[in-house]
Amino acid sequence: DTGVSQDPRHKITKRGQNVTFRCDPISEHNRLYWYRQTLGQGPEFLTYFQNEAQLEKSRLLSDRFSAERPKGSFSTLEIQRTEQGDSAMYLCASSLGNEKLFFGSGTQLSVL
Amino acid sequence: LAKTTQPISMDSYEGQEVNITCSHNNIATNDYITWYQQFPSQGPRFIIQGYKTKVTNEVASLFIPADRKSSTLSLPRVSLSDTAVYYCLVGPSGGSYIPTFGRGTSLIVHP
Repeated sequence: DTGVSQDPRHKITKRGQNVTFRCDPISEHNRLYWYRQTLGQGPEFLTYFQNEAQLEKSRLLSDRFSAERPKGSFSTLEIQRTEQGDSAMYLCASSLGNEKLFFGSGTQLSVL
Repeated sequence: LAKTTQPISMDSYEGQEVNITCSHNNIATNDYITWYQQFPSQGPRFIIQGYKTKVTNEVASLFIPADRKSSTLSLPRVSLSDTAVYYCLVGPSGGSYIPTFGRGTSLIVHP
């Protein structure tokens, strides 16, 4: 399968714990995006990378969130000291330049 | 960025044609119109993109009038499996544009 893959698919954690998600984009894609989606809402932009450079970060993104894309390949999104409000589906997408996005199936996070 | 407006929900029946209209009154000259489809527990999937007039692929057709202030996604002969949320996005094809999603249109197809 050469699509975007995300791991894990589901994560249940307790409030205050740290969690890390991984995204493997389509190999030749230079852009990688992270979105967050809650029930009934569209995906909300969090941050994006062009190759290994993080070019933009949403102003809504708390300092507890950090993302990396070492060597311009896979990316990780870490949430520190999770809160119940962080419960959501975290989606990763990749693209070649500014062309159409290819999304992964997401990581569903539940914070208890 | 051009703001888009689309119906929150629509209902249809199997075999019917469904048309979902998106309004984007302040679309810019270099903006394209892109539609995505999202099934529950999956990420959105690209359906179709257009700039003007009509675009057709194996999944849908996209109609864009001359003033480009709206667009209509047309799904021919829908089936139960077309039940999904459909998002209309407007943005340029180049530069540092970040695709921005609204709430989309939730389409429910009934037997």
